[in-house]
Amino acid sequence: KAGVTQTPRYLIKTRGQQVTLSCSPISGHRSVSWYQQTPGQGLQFLFEYFSETQRNKGNFPGRFSGRQFSNSRSEMNVSTLELGDSALYLCASSHGLADTDTQYFGPGTRLTVL
Amino acid sequence: KNQVEQSPQSLIILEGKNCTLQCNYTVSPFSNLRWYKQDTGRGPVSLTIMTFSENTKSNGRYTATLDADTKQSSLHITASQLSDSASYICVVSSPVTDKLIFGTGTRLQVFP
Repeated sequence: KAGVTQTPRYLIKTRGQQVTLSCSPISGHRSVSWYQQTPGQGLQFLFEYFSETQRNKGNFPGRFSGRQFSNSRSEMNVSTLELGDSALYLCASSHGLADTDTQYFGPGTRLTVL
Repeated sequence: KNQVEQSPQSLIILEGKNCTLQCNYTVSPFSNLRWYKQDTGRGPVSLTIMTFSENTKSNGRYTATLDADTKQSSLHITASQLSDSASYICVVSSPVTDKLIFGTGTRLQVFP
C-alpha cells in the first residue's frame, strides 16, 4: 500500500508570491491534515479536511487555505508569501478523524521564501 | 491554555543504553496520547497511541506509559541503536477542540 505522497518536495519562492502544495493520502483514507514545522515552533496544526469538508482549523492567517477533492487528495495554498513562511509543510492522512485515528505522515514539502 | 511539554529538549546516549523521555500535559479532558518518531528530513512515524484508560503500550523496544492522574507520559527506549537517533514528539488529542496538540519534541542522539 503506497504511503502519503507530497509534491513538490522542495520549493523556492520570493516574498509576495503564492504557492500551492499537493498531498495524496493513503488509498481509502478520508482525512487529510496539514502542519507547518519550523525549528523554533515545532509542529503547528493548519487544518484538517474530512470528506471534502474543512473540519478544523489552526491559528493561521487567511493567507493559508486548503481544499480536498472527491478522491481525498488535498491542496494547500499560501498567498502573499512572507519570509516567516519558510518551513517544512507536512501532510498526514488517516482513515477516520485525525484526533481519533492513527495518522500517517508524508515526507513533507520544504518551502524556502527569499 | 492546553499545553504539552517534553523533557529533556535533547539527550545524548551511548549505543546499547536505555533512556526515558518525558511528556507532561495540561490538556483536559483528553481522548488519547501519542508518541511519534521523526527522523531528520522525514515525516513523523507513529510509535504508540494510548487512550486515557491505558497505562502502557509497547512497540518493539519502545514502551510508552501513561498516568492520567498526574498527566504524565514517558517513552522508554530499551537497548538503544544508532537508528534511534531522531526527534520524539508527544501529542495529546483534545475531545473539546477535536484537535491534536503537539509537544516540541526531544532530540535524541545515539553514539557508538
